[in-house]
Amino acid sequence: GDSVTQMEGPVTLSEEAFLTINCTYTATGYPSLFWYVQYPGEGLQLLLKATKADDKGSNKGFEATYRKETTSFHLEKGSVQVSDSAVYFCALSDRNNAGNMLTFGGGTRLMVKP
Amino acid sequence: KAGVTQTPRYLIKTRGQQVTLSCSPISGHRSVSWYQQTPGQGLQFLFEYFSETQRNKGNFPGRFSGRQFSNSRSEMNVSTLELGDSALYLCASSLDRGTSTGELFFGEGSRLTVL
Repeated sequence: GDSVTQMEGPVTLSEEAFLTINCTYTATGYPSLFWYVQYPGEGLQLLLKATKADDKGSNKGFEATYRKETTSFHLEKGSVQVSDSAVYFCALSDRNNAGNMLTFGGGTRLMVKP
Repeated sequence: KAGVTQTPRYLIKTRGQQVTLSCSPISGHRSVSWYQQTPGQGLQFLFEYFSETQRNKGNFPGRFSGRQFSNSRSEMNVSTLELGDSALYLCASSLDRGTSTGELFFGEGSRLTVL
């Protein structure tokens, strides 16, 4: 079955540092890929997505590129802020599935210190 | 535009009891999904409903069930509660376009504690 693996946290960075959170996937089909973010006490929010190989998703300074050859979708940000502290989830959905079922990675907690 | 609303936000039950959680999707969204979030297992898909029909189902025992009403509101029920059912239950709605888009809008969740 489909699966998503992301680096374990917590990741602790100082403000303005560069962020990378690794994500790799296994899928039988040709999935769409997503990053969701969960701020403390809240539900998940879609951060960015990519639906085909070499697509780059971007939002709020975050970027991730769909790499089919390495089955990866690493999240990057050039300069993190304290407000970016949250848990980040990589996820995929099978586009052949007539529905909206997501397979999530285990989540990576990011803590940004001033 | 109102977001996804889940009730109750917090509840405490004892083993053997049953619980019903409610979810009101964003207006116009017809797809509602449920996920269980625990520290050990992460986010796991429970089921998805679309137009009052279960469209997808995860690998959970039959104690976990759900339904969707004609106004797209959804409920999930867990019977014969076990300690391991303690979790944050997240509901998500989506503007379904016939194929998987993965763009889900999540509620804040219902935190269930089983004693």
